[in-house]
Amino acid sequence: NAGVTQTPKFRILKIGQSMTLQCTQDMNHNYMYWYRQDPGMGLKLIYYSVGAGITDKGEVPNGYNVSRSTTEDFPLRLELAAPSQTSVYFCASSQGERNTEAFFGQGTRLTVV
Amino acid sequence: GENVEQHPSTLSVQEGDSAVIKCTYSDSASNYFPWYKQELGKRPQLIIDIRSNVGEKKDQRIAVTLNKTAKHFSLHITETQPEDSAVYFCAASIVISYGGTASKLTFGTGTRLQVTL
Repeated sequence: NAGVTQTPKFRILKIGQSMTLQCTQDMNHNYMYWYRQDPGMGLKLIYYSVGAGITDKGEVPNGYNVSRSTTEDFPLRLELAAPSQTSVYFCASSQGERNTEAFFGQGTRLTVV
Repeated sequence: GENVEQHPSTLSVQEGDSAVIKCTYSDSASNYFPWYKQELGKRPQLIIDIRSNVGEKKDQRIAVTLNKTAKHFSLHITETQPEDSAVYFCAASIVISYGGTASKLTFGTGTRLQVTL
């Protein structure tokens, strides 16, 4: 049981480039989340999904897009990367019923130069 | 939406002492309050949680208390050890309806706990 898997673990982007952070979970969880964590800071919600075909914005969605075509996958797309998007990105999933634990991926460290 | 405040941002204690981290939440509908521990360079992992129908929960050296009236909850670590050094996050969840039920976690800003020898 792999849990939540994120790829890549590290990435350096140039300003204006685009990329997709991959996230997949094998726990048949309905709910998935993308957070960013800036150095020394807390977790800020970018986007979340309550099931396949349904996504919604979190606190800091600008500059990002997501899709949820399957239960397992929840990719995060960065268009026109900016230095302000330098951060560690965590994907997480939860079963989705009330009061449920979130499981995190190992994180993706992204640097935009 | 929900807002979770966490204090203090940093906490230094001597090994063997107790540590207390406090959080407040804004939405009275929140009914699930987990605590996550994040070691340096690692992912956050759940260490304990509490539901709104319970006032206190213990797991060995860790305990969490909840005051629904005041909308605050706290993490207590007794007999701290060097391996307790990490960043701790509190969170609160709200139920969201999308033709069903869902929960969205809102995290506090984190507390960096350092246990010194």
